[in-house]
Amino acid sequence: KQEVTQIPAALSVPEGENLVLNCSFTDSAIYNLQWFRQDPGKGLTSLLLIQSSQREQTSGRLNASLDKSSGRSTLYIAASQPGDSATYLCAPEKLVFGKGTKLTVNP
Amino acid sequence: DGGITQSPKYLFRKEGQNVTLSCEQNLNHDAMYWYRQDPGQGLRLIYYSQIVNDFQKGDIAEGYSVSREKKESFPLTVTSAQKNPTAFYLCASSIGGGPNTEAFFGQGTRLTVV
Repeated sequence: KQEVTQIPAALSVPEGENLVLNCSFTDSAIYNLQWFRQDPGKGLTSLLLIQSSQREQTSGRLNASLDKSSGRSTLYIAASQPGDSATYLCAPEKLVFGKGTKLTVNP
Repeated sequence: DGGITQSPKYLFRKEGQNVTLSCEQNLNHDAMYWYRQDPGQGLRLIYYSQIVNDFQKGDIAEGYSVSREKKESFPLTVTSAQKNPTAFYLCASSIGGGPNTEAFFGQGTRLTVV
């Protein structure tokens, strides 16, 4: 059964810092991995979808990488802003999610 | 606007009552999903449907029921058999049920048992 771990569980950084969020999964036989953002009390917003044939996907200041063989994905956020404060979740398949990393970017 | 609409946003239920959460999408997606989220926890899959008139149980289906009579609608009923129903419920859809497709979410319904 697929298990997903996200480290760290919480992260607090000053504005402008570059940061990396980590996602690991136990079953590497996946077709894609999706990163989401969740604001308090809200639904999930899709940030990036990486297909298994890709190694990276970029959207603006966000860059996600996928290493299936090691069961890892990272989400890189460049030049963080207070508006980036949210919980970030990864899902190697639609049916299984990590618990998320709660990010706080301080002005 | 295309998207997924969940209603109501907040729902209060007395113990022993059944309640139904609505999920409607106008994205013409085949697959729809229901998840439950508890504080500090990730999402757990309750039910999913890859096509009209067909659905499968997820990891925590006990105490819940669904129907998929129309492509755009996937209502979730929380029955009195669900022992701890207070949670945040999220509905999602994807263009297909296959593993390569991107999932999109509604804004959620917060259910509280009073």
